[in-house]
Amino acid sequence: KQEVTQIPAALSVPEGENLVLNCSFTDSAIYNLQWFRQDPGKGLTSLLLIQSSQREQTSGRLNASLDKSSGRSTLYIAASQPGDSATYLCAALVYGGATNKLIFGTGTLLAVQP
Amino acid sequence: GAVVSQHPSWVICKSGTSVKIECRSLDFQATTMFWYRQFPKQSLMLMATSNEGSKATYEQGVEKDKFLINHASLTLSTLTVTSAHPEDSSFYICSARGRGTGPPGGYTFGSGTRLTVV
Repeated sequence: KQEVTQIPAALSVPEGENLVLNCSFTDSAIYNLQWFRQDPGKGLTSLLLIQSSQREQTSGRLNASLDKSSGRSTLYIAASQPGDSATYLCAALVYGGATNKLIFGTGTLLAVQP
Repeated sequence: GAVVSQHPSWVICKSGTSVKIECRSLDFQATTMFWYRQFPKQSLMLMATSNEGSKATYEQGVEKDKFLINHASLTLSTLTVTSAHPEDSSFYICSARGRGTGPPGGYTFGSGTRLTVV
């Protein structure tokens, strides 16, 4: 059974810092790995999606990497801003029988201090 | 881009009553919909998967008679919490995947429904 874990559970940094969020998954047989952002009481916003054949994806100040063999993904945020404060979730797309399904990590609560 | 509308965004109901949550794909055909549950400060837990016109597939530990899922059309899926109790209070989020929407393997999420049972 696929398990997805994120470290750290919470992170507080001053504005302008570069930071790395970590995601680990136990089964390397994934189709892709996605990173989402969730603001308090809200739904999910997709940030980046890395296919299993890819190593990384970039969007603006965000860069996500994927190492399937070691079961790890990282989300790098450059020059953090207070507006980046949110919970960040990674999710692995796995085979689910009749249909594939997303298995979510435990999340990292990020606070960027102005 | 693909948009999923979820209603209501919040609901308060009395214990013992039933609550229906709707999830609509606005600009694409959602061949598969997923329902998640999220407790405070925890991650999303998949409850069930539904394919249009088929019965939903429930995850282990999820009571199918308590959480009724209907996916009767390619644009609408509903989750009904029957005989709700305070322990059913949670944040429920739907997700949809359709034909030709977004990158391969991409999912679109609704904005969530905060259910409080009193």
